[in-house]
Amino acid sequence: DGGITQSPKYLFRKEGQNVTLSCEQNLNHDAMYWYRQDPGQGLRLIYYSQIVNDFQKGDIAEGYSVSREKKESFPLTVTSAQKNPTAFYLCASLPGVSYNEQFFGPGTRLTVL
Amino acid sequence: QKEVEQDPGPLSVPEGAIVSLNCTYSNSAFQYFMWYRQYSRKGPELLMYTYSSGNKEDGRFTAQVDKSSKYISLFIRDSQPSDSATYLCAMSPTGANSKLTFGKGITLSVRP
Repeated sequence: DGGITQSPKYLFRKEGQNVTLSCEQNLNHDAMYWYRQDPGQGLRLIYYSQIVNDFQKGDIAEGYSVSREKKESFPLTVTSAQKNPTAFYLCASLPGVSYNEQFFGPGTRLTVL
Repeated sequence: QKEVEQDPGPLSVPEGAIVSLNCTYSNSAFQYFMWYRQYSRKGPELLMYTYSSGNKEDGRFTAQVDKSSKYISLFIRDSQPSDSATYLCAMSPTGANSKLTFGKGITLSVRP
């Protein structure tokens, strides 16, 4: 059963700690994306990767880092430099270069205590 | 002016009503238009996808794009309580693998 999985579903972090959110897809999609969603806000792009070992900053990359060592995996690290990390984080993927419609995972809710 | 504006809502309608959800945009380069449905605490799911101007129908849902007015709409006929969700419009310019620009979303509640 193909899809995008994100783990954990809920994550709690103390201020000053780094935390890594997992995103895995078995759809054989080339491109992967990370978004942040705040209440009453649309989705804002954090980072995206169109190919393994390559990624680009999105609109709000400060305080975040990513890696793309494998096609199926695109983990996001929320660092202590991110001033307001409490949000709903969404991972998405795109089949390939001739597509535009992205498919989303179930999301991770991160709360900073 | 934001690139994509979406009616803020929330919107509450009785079951069976026709619902009209709208977005306007300012970037004339946008060519691909999508509507996503997002249930509470879930990831968005792609509902409708259209290219350039025109209408597209899928069951009770119709997506409409008017590029001359930079205006897109999603119509829901015979609305059901299960349609209660947040609806996000998204769009991207011509070119493969383009980044999506999203509206803020509107929360719809369909009352039984």
